[in-house]
Amino acid sequence: AQTVTQSQPEMSVQEAETVTLSCTYDTSENNYYLFWYKQPPSRQMILVIRQEAYKQQNATENRFSVNFQKAAKSFSLKISDSQLGDTAMYFCARPASSNTGKLIFGQGTTLQVKP
Amino acid sequence: EAQVTQNPRYLITVTGKKLTVTCSQNMNHEYMSWYRQDPGLGLRQIYYSMNVEVTDKGDVPEGYKVSRKEKRNFPLILESPSPNQTSLYFCASSLRGAETYEQYFGPGTRLTVT
Repeated sequence: AQTVTQSQPEMSVQEAETVTLSCTYDTSENNYYLFWYKQPPSRQMILVIRQEAYKQQNATENRFSVNFQKAAKSFSLKISDSQLGDTAMYFCARPASSNTGKLIFGQGTTLQVKP
Repeated sequence: EAQVTQNPRYLITVTGKKLTVTCSQNMNHEYMSWYRQDPGLGLRQIYYSMNVEVTDKGDVPEGYKVSRKEKRNFPLILESPSPNQTSLYFCASSLRGAETYEQYFGPGTRLTVT
């Protein structure tokens, strides 16, 4: 079965500290993209970061970075200097296969940033 | 303002009463998709469309219909809603396929079927 697994349903972190959200997936593709989306309490889904599998360099967007381990099929999200506005549910996603438009999401991790 | 709009935002209906949730985007995106979000299950794709008149099933298409007659609109139709379709629904669009491009999401539609 094609799956994306987020093993941490809930996490919490103190403001200004660093937290890592885990995501593992399976795929038979060699070249693909991986995504992290954020859903704050407003419910609006927004893209946090995107990783191209053929790139060895981990993607970074300001305080957000990924640890991409292609062989292990692991795609974790690191949030540095956590802020109260980072409180949200985070979803990892990967394509079902190339050129199909099908996207598979994980179950989500709810992150609470505490003051 | 570039955006994806959905209507209605909230809907309570009864079993068997046909309903349509509209979705529209103003970004000239080729790709559009519908998802449902349920606790513990994340987002699951219902249907998607790679372009006008091109639609395909996602992972949970049963009980839903879609059409893509115009590039900007992608309505979701529930011909005979049932309580197990109570969920939070999102429409999304992207320049091209979501396997590569960032998706822009609508604000969500909370549907309750009694």
